[in-house]
Amino acid sequence: AQSVTQLGSHVSVSEGALVLLRCNYSSSVPPYLFWYVQYPNQGLQLLLKYTSAATLVKGINGFEAEFKKSETSFHLTKPSAHMSDAAEYFCAVGSLGDMRFGAGTRLTVKP
Amino acid sequence: EAQVTQNPRYLITVTGKKLTVTCSQNMNHEYMSWYRQDPGLGLRQIYYSMNVEVTDKGDVPEGYKVSRKEKRNFPLILESPSPNQTSLYFCASRTDRVGSDGYTFGSGTRLTVV
Repeated sequence: AQSVTQLGSHVSVSEGALVLLRCNYSSSVPPYLFWYVQYPNQGLQLLLKYTSAATLVKGINGFEAEFKKSETSFHLTKPSAHMSDAAEYFCAVGSLGDMRFGAGTRLTVKP
Repeated sequence: EAQVTQNPRYLITVTGKKLTVTCSQNMNHEYMSWYRQDPGLGLRQIYYSMNVEVTDKGDVPEGYKVSRKEKRNFPLILESPSPNQTSLYFCASRTDRVGSDGYTFGSGTRLTVV
C-alpha cells in the first residue's frame, strides 16, 4: 500500500519568508510524487512532480521539492512567499494502482 | 482547451432523491476518477476507471455508483443520498502512465444533502 502524510494542517508565514510544507510518503516500490495547489473555489492544479529523473524538482510559481529516499520525504519549498501563494497544498503518491493524496496543508501568507 | 468538465457546480438535494453528477474529459485519457474532499481529510478516492467498462472501488465507495460506457464520460450516481454525503466532489482524468502529469481535475461539485 502507498500513502502520504502531510505534517501540519495549517502553516502561516510572512510575505517574503521561506515556505516549507512537509510531506512524507510510504511506498513499497519507487514512487511517483506530486504536489498540487488548490486556490479557493477551484480544482487542483499540478505544481510539480517527481518521476525519478532528478531528486530536486522545480515547479511553477517558484516552488521546488526535493526527493529524499533515506527520509522518505518530498517537502515543498519556496524561498520567498508571496500573498498570491495563499492556498491549500496537497502531496500525492502514485505507483502501484492509483494515486493517494494527503490531507492537505493550508498556507496563509501575512503581509 | 484540454479540460475535465463536471456538472453541476452546486447542488442541493433531499435525502433519498437519486442524483447524477456528470463528468467529461476531452483529452482521450484512459483513467478517470472521482474524489470527495472533506475538511481535515484531504481527497479520498471514491471510484476509478482504467478504461471503458473497467471500474474499481477506491477508499470510500459506499453509497456511490459509477459507469464508464464511453471513454470520455464517467458519471457519479448517488442512488439514495444521505446527509453524510454532503461534500465537495472532484472528477479527474489522466493517461495510463501514472508517472505522467498525474491527474487533471475538474472544477468541483459542491453537494449538500438535507
